[in-house]
Amino acid sequence: QKEVEQNSGPLSVPEGAIASLNCTYSDRGSQSFFWYRQYSGKSPELIMSIYSNGDKEDGRFTAQLNKASQYVSLLIRDSQPSDSATYLCAVNRNGNQFYFGTGTSLTVIP
Amino acid sequence: SAVISQKPSRDICQRGTSLTIQCQVDSQVTMMFWYRQQPGQSLTLIATANQGSEATYESGFVIDKFPISRPNLTFSTLTVSNLSPEDSSIYLCSVGDRFNEQFFGPGTRLTVL
Repeated sequence: QKEVEQNSGPLSVPEGAIASLNCTYSDRGSQSFFWYRQYSGKSPELIMSIYSNGDKEDGRFTAQLNKASQYVSLLIRDSQPSDSATYLCAVNRNGNQFYFGTGTSLTVIP
Repeated sequence: SAVISQKPSRDICQRGTSLTIQCQVDSQVTMMFWYRQQPGQSLTLIATANQGSEATYESGFVIDKFPISRPNLTFSTLTVSNLSPEDSSIYLCSVGDRFNEQFFGPGTRLTVL
């Protein structure tokens, strides 16, 4: 079983819609959860961190964490073509133990 | 967040040679890491670069193949030794903060012929 699992997509949404990205993790001891955005040919860029159950909002982005169900999600409201990228879910288990999912490719169609 | 630079940004190397990648941070950081991202794949942690001591390697990665130096709190190098085409990949350094967030350098794209 992989540490972190994501649907690889591709996920396509029309401009202005809500994009919903999901991630599950295997270790209940995981403590910190992150979403990264990676444009083609670029390095990952941190967009959201979440540490406790519930929702965390930052602009058009909302991260949701449910530790009981071991999933993390990212909602992107009012999706823009510039949001087209691969989104990586990452989980920190214990200090230096950091695991990435394989990423979900998102395309926002104008 | 810290500004991270890597050199070289890309290189093409011959089989059997080695490439050393440099990672420079504009502020002192405790946690520094090296990752590999193979084409179309996600990131795999190679090792944690520890200042003043030997790096901590993840399963499947060994010091002879991926020697790492960390002479101070702002600089690290990763060498990929005895190159084969399977080593063609993007190599990324990252730094961690006190919230366990990680921030990545721009990466080094290695092609082995």
